[in-house]
Amino acid sequence: EDQVTQSPEALRLQEGESSSLNCSYTVSGLRGLFWYRQDPGKGPEFLFTLYSAGEEKEKERLKATLTKKESFLHITAPKPEDSATYLCAFSGSGGGADGLTFGKGTHLIIQP
Amino acid sequence: NAGVMQNPRHLVRRRGQEARLRCSPMKGHSHVYWYRQLPEEGLKFMVYLQKENIIDESGMPKERFSAEFPKEGPSILRIQQVVRGDSAAYFCASSPSGTHEQYFGPGTRLTVT
Repeated sequence: EDQVTQSPEALRLQEGESSSLNCSYTVSGLRGLFWYRQDPGKGPEFLFTLYSAGEEKEKERLKATLTKKESFLHITAPKPEDSATYLCAFSGSGGGADGLTFGKGTHLIIQP
Repeated sequence: NAGVMQNPRHLVRRRGQEARLRCSPMKGHSHVYWYRQLPEEGLKFMVYLQKENIIDESGMPKERFSAEFPKEGPSILRIQQVVRGDSAAYFCASSPSGTHEQYFGPGTRLTVT
């Protein structure tokens, strides 16, 4: 069965303290791995798409990487405004066509 | 450049009433997806539509739920005879043809009393 697991569920960091969020996935035929950011009461905001193992993408303090079983979202020197829930999702070639399968997210808090 | 628009943002219905949620995709996007987010749970795919066609409704409950994306106007998610378990945030996303990047709207928060 296609599934995605994110860890940790919650993470509290000091401002400037770098860390990584994990997304482990099982899918029959990965078409794309996606990272989103979601703030309370809002819709998910698109961050990155990764398509193949070894691929990396960066945006400001965020860098996403992909292996055959996991994706990591690295946060370098975070600021309080980076506090949010980070969601990982994939699109697979199995049942569900183009619907994304989401993890439950990592709730990140950056303390000043 | 307007993003995905959803209305209403908040909707309160009594048990047994109908709920109609609307979604206007980003300009130039012809693919629309609906997701549901229950408290303490992840986003769950419900249905994928293109203009006048339902492409995949594998995540849609078999009863009471329906969706459409007419030639003109917004996509509509319709829930008949709502029950308390339907209380959730419903998100619409859109994508341009040929890619999988989906851009989400702000959501409609449905409360069933």
